[in-house]
Amino acid sequence: KQEVTQIPAALSVPEGENLVLNCSFTDSAIYNLQWFRQDPGKGLTSLLLIQSSQREQTSGRLNASLDKSSGRSTLYIAASQPGDSATYLCAVDRGSTLGRLYFGRGTQLTVWP
Amino acid sequence: GEEVAQTPKHLVRGEGQKAKLYCAPIKGHSYVFWYQQVLKNEFKFLISFQNENVFDETGMPKERFSAKCLPNSPCSLEIQATKLEDSAVYFCASSQRDRGTEAFFGQGTRLTVV
Repeated sequence: KQEVTQIPAALSVPEGENLVLNCSFTDSAIYNLQWFRQDPGKGLTSLLLIQSSQREQTSGRLNASLDKSSGRSTLYIAASQPGDSATYLCAVDRGSTLGRLYFGRGTQLTVWP
Repeated sequence: GEEVAQTPKHLVRGEGQKAKLYCAPIKGHSYVFWYQQVLKNEFKFLISFQNENVFDETGMPKERFSAKCLPNSPCSLEIQATKLEDSAVYFCASSQRDRGTEAFFGQGTRLTVV
């Protein structure tokens, strides 16, 4: 069974800080890992997708890394802004389970001005 | 369409009533997934489709839940005789393939059973 854990559960930082959100998974036989953002009362917005053969992906101020062998991924957010405030979720695709995603509980991020 | 469209956004049902939720996947996406978000951020997989065929239904509570994806119609998730514990946000996602590609999620339907 795949278990996905995200640490910390909540994070509150002043604007401008660089932050790291952590995601760990118990079964390293994954196909890919996806980071999402969820705003209150809204759906999930896909941020980055890392294939199992990749080490990292970048999009603007976001950088996600993947260490499959140790079962870890990090999402790095540079120069955080109040608009980054949201819940960040990571989800893994085991490949063997036909595209089904296993989600962590998320990190609730608050960036204050 | 360019996004996954879910309707309605909110649904309130009395205990024992039927609830039906709809999802229009992104055009060209062959795979549709339904998830239930309960409590705070706990996502539970329900069912997936490849076009109109059930792909994986291992997460479905079969006694009251059913789902369909028919050609030229939105996909649907139906709950017969709703219970209080069915209160949750139901998300639909679509992707081009079953694995290895990005999953795109709709805005969700918040079901409240009273």
